[in-house]
Amino acid sequence: QSVLTQPPSVSGAPGQRVTISCTGSRSNIGADYDVHWYQLLPGTAPKLLIYGNNNRPSGVPDRFSGSKSGTSASLAITGLQAEDEADYYCQSFDSSLSLVFGGGTKLTVL
Amino acid sequence: EVQLLESGGGLVQPGGSLRLSCAASGFTFSNYAMRWVRQAPGKGLEWVSTINDGGFRTFYADSVKGRFIISRDNSKNTMYLQMNNLRAEDTAIYYCAKDMGLTRSWASDYWGQGTLVTVSS
Repeated sequence: QSVLTQPPSVSGAPGQRVTISCTGSRSNIGADYDVHWYQLLPGTAPKLLIYGNNNRPSGVPDRFSGSKSGTSASLAITGLQAEDEADYYCQSFDSSLSLVFGGGTKLTVL
Repeated sequence: EVQLLESGGGLVQPGGSLRLSCAASGFTFSNYAMRWVRQAPGKGLEWVSTINDGGFRTFYADSVKGRFIISRDNSKNTMYLQMNNLRAEDTAIYYCAKDMGLTRSWASDYWGQGTLVTVSS
């Protein structure tokens, strides 16, 4: 049972927009700790996609965006491409002094 | 170019020990906190441990507290994870990750490819 809750899967057709939610609590996201998003492709190292709720590292396309409100956060992907098919994880910090992750969401491009 | 290279994984019996290493290059290692994150087969990411830049502050997940020890040697640009009293549930790919260095952020901006630890008799 992950501390942050994500939908197990989402899907969309090429060119469409999808969102992935990440729900926490008052001890993590709601305590004003930042939310970060990572992309995991099979056999590759995890990649930082969004940091500090809505910032993209250099090299990440602007098709990826993040937002945060209250105890939840979201990752949005517009103009879906086949190469976006991957697992996505949100991460934050908890007042128990632990880093916490969501359970992960598998994105399928139809 | 930032590179993180994990090593030391393998097959170990329950109750055994293993020491993982993470060799870093491409950045000033002594300026950044580092951490270990693992992914069990078919499961999600799980934070294991973090060590601050100087190596004198360490943090652990409850699931490994008292069994795992994180350390670093800034003169060798290397971080370690000593894993003792291993259990079947410790079976996972162990990733080394670099902290981004932003205040109150705890984001990891670079990750290694991971090393597989299998605990089985």
